[in-house]
Parts: sequence; C-alpha cells; structure tokens
Amino acid sequence: IAGITQAPTSQILAAGRRMTLRCTQDMRHNAMYWYRQDLGLGLRLIHYSNTAGTTGKGEVPDGYSVSRANTDDFPLTLASAVPSQTSVYFCASSDSGITGELFFGEGSRLTVL
Amino acid sequence: GQNIDQPTEMTATEGAIVQINCTYQTSGFNGLFWYQQHAGEAPTFLSYNVLDGLEEKGRFSSFLSRSKGYSYLLLKELQMKDSASYLCAVRDRDYQLIWGAGTKLIIKP
Repeated sequence: IAGITQAPTSQILAAGRRMTLRCTQDMRHNAMYWYRQDLGLGLRLIHYSNTAGTTGKGEVPDGYSVSRANTDDFPLTLASAVPSQTSVYFCASSDSGITGELFFGEGSRLTVL
Repeated sequence: GQNIDQPTEMTATEGAIVQINCTYQTSGFNGLFWYQQHAGEAPTFLSYNVLDGLEEKGRFSSFLSRSKGYSYLLLKELQMKDSASYLCAVRDRDYQLIWGAGTKLIIKP
C-alpha cells in the first residue's frame, strides 16, 4: 500500500540522548515535511524539503536537523533531546498537483524524560 | 502575525448538521484546507478551497469567503464516526501552510 511510513511509532528516551525519527514515502512526492503536534496547538513545521538535496527551516527548527539524500527518505534527528521535545511528530509529503494536499505518516510519539 | 482561529470544541447530535468555522489572517492566500484527524491518528485531507464559494463532497461541504477571511466546514447527517478533530489550514503567499489548533467535534447519540 502506497504511503508514508514512520518509525518508531513510540519511543521514550532520556534527556541528552540522540534520536533519529525515520520517514519513508513511496509516492515519489518531491516535497516532504516534519511537523510536531502538541495539545492545544496547531501543527508546527519543524523542517521541510522541496526536493531531494534541499532542506529548509520551518517555524520551530531549533534542536532538530534533517537530511534529504534521496526522494524517498527524510529522517529527523534530535541531537540532544530535551523534555520540551516531548511531542507527537508527523512526517508528511505532497505532490505538485493543483491542491498539493499533504499525506501524513501515522506519527511518532516521543517522550523525553 | 499570521493567525487561524477555530472553536476548540463543539458537540452535535447523531443525524444532525454541524458547521465548523475558521477565520484567518495571513500574509497572502493560496488556498484553504480542511483535514480530519481521529484521536491517535494522522490527519487526512478533506477539502480544498481556493475560490469563493461552496465545494460539496458527499456529506461534507466547505465554504470560502476570501474577502472576509472566513471558511466553514459543514457536516450533514452526522455519524458517530465523524467524532474527530477538524483542522483548518491556509497556504500563504510563500506557499507555507498555517494551521489552526483544530476543533474537536463530539457526536452524541
């Protein structure tokens, strides 16, 4: 089934540890995004990539990094996790069609203690 | 700054009609989206409006007035499975999506 796969679905880690959230899509979409979703707040963009080899900063990029070595993969890395990074993280992709709606992965629930 | 406003929570009865409003102030406008998100799941696309007027898709309709910075999502013949959060998002002049915090819709029998 075509779509976006995120891993892990859930993770608890200690503050100060490094963590990479994986995201893979098989729809050949050019654009990919990482969002975090916190209770009472809208989805907030962390980083995005309009095409393989390019990345950009979103609204809340501090403490996160991304890479886009190919079309399919867009990993998000927390270099040194802090408790404020406890959140649900969604990876998404979009094509270049008229609407360009987003397709989301199932999310990764991260708890930093 | 850019802002999307929608009610935090609404309650409706199974079989009834509910209207979820969204007002926005953004730097430019390149379309408005509605997404549905069930608890613990990912958002899924419902509708897209770029021109003024009503877009109908089955039991769901979405309306846009660009001059008023206003949209609504209309859900008819409500079913229990419609209990979810509904997210309004606007694409600004830089083609970045600005998201509202979402409206949690509770359907009662």
